[in-house]
Amino acid sequence: GESVGLHLPTLSVQEGDNSIINCAYSNSASDYFIWYKQESGKGPQFIIDIRSNMDKRQGQRVTVLLNKTVKHLSLQIAATQPGDSAVYFCAEKNNAGNMLTFGGGTRLMVKP
Amino acid sequence: DAGVIQSPRHEVTEMGQEVTLRCKPISGHDYLFWYRQTMMRGLELLIYFNNNVPIDDSGMPEDRFSAKMPNASFSTLKIQPSEPRDSAVYFCASSFVVIETQYFGPGTRLLVL
Repeated sequence: GESVGLHLPTLSVQEGDNSIINCAYSNSASDYFIWYKQESGKGPQFIIDIRSNMDKRQGQRVTVLLNKTVKHLSLQIAATQPGDSAVYFCAEKNNAGNMLTFGGGTRLMVKP
Repeated sequence: DAGVIQSPRHEVTEMGQEVTLRCKPISGHDYLFWYRQTMMRGLELLIYFNNNVPIDDSGMPEDRFSAKMPNASFSTLKIQPSEPRDSAVYFCASSFVVIETQYFGPGTRLLVL
């Protein structure tokens, strides 16, 4: 799926470096957050999630940090690889509903 | 599991024609979501179903859009009549009872001329 195009914020990193992708959310009632990865021509793919009662969660090569005080979410990718090149979306769910609200996305470009 | 299946993958049609997009959710999932993605507006939720019943269709842009889920394994999103501004990628997603983790299909790229 062609997700976004010319106006996405872009992060360019060298292969092997760590990447940090940031997301600000607006709803202080949000209690669940997800990071998705979208490669060109594909649908968003679940990476990692975190609930609001946590401030950090680790997966394989990825870590999500949640700062509820400033309503900020970040995704850290260790030892970034060319296959990590994609658009990354954060999504939030508020505790009053069942819907996810997606952020605008960040394009990650990995230079070999 | 094959994941969420969508068809067609690409659709080109002329303004005024009817378009039907299809989705087969992951077996056992209770929730099904239809999204639209454009460069201008990003990813937008159109409608979602729980146990085949539409729960929230507030994201459906106009009466030209309709969605159905006749059974647990099939859903359609119909646009009639289609307009050029409907051109977008349409995604279907599904999830278990705990709906947070949604699994997306590959999308249908729609172009209305």
